[in-house]
Amino acid sequence: NAGVTQTPKFRVLKTGQSMTLLCAQDMNHEYMYWYRQDPGMGLRLIHYSVGEGTTAKGEVPDGYNVSRLKKQNFLLGLESAAPSQTSVYFCASSYTGKGYEQYFGPGTRLTVT
Amino acid sequence: QKEVEQDPGPLSVPEGAIVSLNCTYSNSAFQYFMWYRQYSRKGPELLMYTYSSGNKEDGRFTAQVDKSSKYISLFIRDSQPSDSATYLCAMSDASNYQLIWGAGTKLIIKP
Repeated sequence: NAGVTQTPKFRVLKTGQSMTLLCAQDMNHEYMYWYRQDPGMGLRLIHYSVGEGTTAKGEVPDGYNVSRLKKQNFLLGLESAAPSQTSVYFCASSYTGKGYEQYFGPGTRLTVT
Repeated sequence: QKEVEQDPGPLSVPEGAIVSLNCTYSNSAFQYFMWYRQYSRKGPELLMYTYSSGNKEDGRFTAQVDKSSKYISLFIRDSQPSDSATYLCAMSDASNYQLIWGAGTKLIIKP
């Protein structure tokens, strides 16, 4: 099993450009999450999904959109990138909703200039 | 004030030492307490999980929760250079799916 995979691993964007980050999991997990990790800030939840076709806002959703058209995939979109969105983005998934058993992908390093 | 406070370190100790990592929190509703380990340029991985109060041991690792003091700890015995990583605490209550994370403590074990 590959677990949780993320595409791409690195990306540099200019202010105003758009992009989509792809997360895929092969563990048949119901719940999926997108986080951003910034120095000194810990992990902050952007959006999450409790099942195929569902999405919900997390702690820092502004400037991002998500979609969960298939159970195994969770997409994170940036419509108009800003320098404040420079971060490392992690996708995670879990079987239950209690959250403690989250499995993380390797991360995407995004720089917005 | 952040909901979860964690000293960012770095904490540098010699190989074989006992390591103590800690987090404090303010929300008394938290019931689930987790420790994740994150190696450089990797995603976090779950190390220990504790429900409510008490201790939990797994090999060289022991997790403690003191809900009266709103304080959790992770102890590492016989520390190894391979334990060098950032350790993140995370916690949640039973009402939603969101984990609240500490900022992480960077641990360095010197050979």
